[in-house]
Formats: sequence, structure tokens, C-alpha cells
Amino acid sequence: GENVEQHPSTLSVQEGDSAVIKCTYSDSASNYFPWYKQELGKGPQLIIDIRSNVGEKKDQRIAVTLNKTAKHFSLHITETQPEDSAVYFCAASNTNAGKSTFGDGTTLTVKP
Amino acid sequence: NAGVMQNPRHLVRRRGQEARLRCSPMKGHSHVYWYRQLPEEGLKFMVYLQKENIIDESGMPKERFSAEFPKEGPSILRIQQVVRGDSAAYFCASSASGMKETQYFGPGTRLLVL
Repeated sequence: GENVEQHPSTLSVQEGDSAVIKCTYSDSASNYFPWYKQELGKGPQLIIDIRSNVGEKKDQRIAVTLNKTAKHFSLHITETQPEDSAVYFCAASNTNAGKSTFGDGTTLTVKP
Repeated sequence: NAGVMQNPRHLVRRRGQEARLRCSPMKGHSHVYWYRQLPEEGLKFMVYLQKENIIDESGMPKERFSAEFPKEGPSILRIQQVVRGDSAAYFCASSASGMKETQYFGPGTRLLVL
């Protein structure tokens, strides 16, 4: 089955700096890679996703890159703000199978 | 446009009791997924259902756990004879038919077994 590894497990940055979270996956059949933000006491919220036919996608301060050959993808947050503080999860799925395999999460702290 | 709804949000049970967790998917969504999250850990897939069918239950414990998604009404995750190790947050996600990879999560049910 699919195995997703996520690094780092914790990340602390100063407000205004950039944050990068990296994930690797094992199943070459995976073709969909969403990122979720989970705030304390809430469910994960989709913030951005990328499909295997695209190398990079950007949405305002958030960008995701995908390297299919190396089987890794990354989340980039620029100009971080205190409200970006949360746990971020990457996931990988094969759209023919339907289920997603999640990384173990990264706790991001943005210091004002 | 209501999102995924789960109830109850918090559930306390004593060992040996039954827990029933409910999930109403987003309007128009016919695919439901259940995940379990232990404290300080990631989300672990349990089961994937479409209306009246279990598609993939590879993450579901073989005993005491069951799930259904009837033609009418919410999806139910049922845990019989709960044990302390069942204490966790249980999240439901849904996706639209034909877009099953884009999953939207509910707020979760936090189960505490005393």
C-alpha cells in the first residue's frame, strides 16, 4: 500500500518568513496530492491540491510543487502570519482507489 | 450550503458500551470516508462507502467496528463494546460522485471511553 512520510514534524518561523513542508510517497500510481490545515478542535480543511499532470500550483501565499520522478511534493507558505499556525497534513491518493493516505502532520507555529 | 456534518461532537462511553457516530455528507455527495485520529497523530483511513455499499474497509478493525451508508439518512460508524483504546477523534469526509479524490471533512466526533 501507499506510505507517506512528512517532514518536519514541527516547524517554528517568525512572522513574515516562509515555511516549507515536504512529503514523500511510495506508490507510483498515486496521482492526487491534497494539503489540509487543521486548527485545534476542528476538522482538516483543504487548502490546496495538485494532480500528477501538473508540476506546480499557486494560490496567493500558498504554493505546492510536485516531483513525480522523485515521488515528493512540498507545501510553501510565504509571508507567514500568526493565523497560519496549525497542523498541516499532506496526503496522496490514487483516484481509481478513492482513499487517501495521510502524512503524520507538521505543527507550524508562526511567532509574531 | 452546509458542509459535512457530524454528531455528536463529543461522546463519552464506559467500557463495554456501544458508540454510534453519524455523518451527513455535503449536499450532492455520495461518497463517504471515515478516518480515526489518535492524539498527536495523523489521520488513519478506516472505511470508504458509497450509498448502500462498502467500497473499501481495509482500515477497519475486524471486530467490533462496522459502518453503513443507507439509501436514506446519514452514514453511521458503530463501535460495539468500546475499550479505552478506542478513544480518539473520528472524522468523516465526503466527495462528489466522479470526484472521489477531493474530500471535504467534517468537524469530527471526539470519543472518550472511560
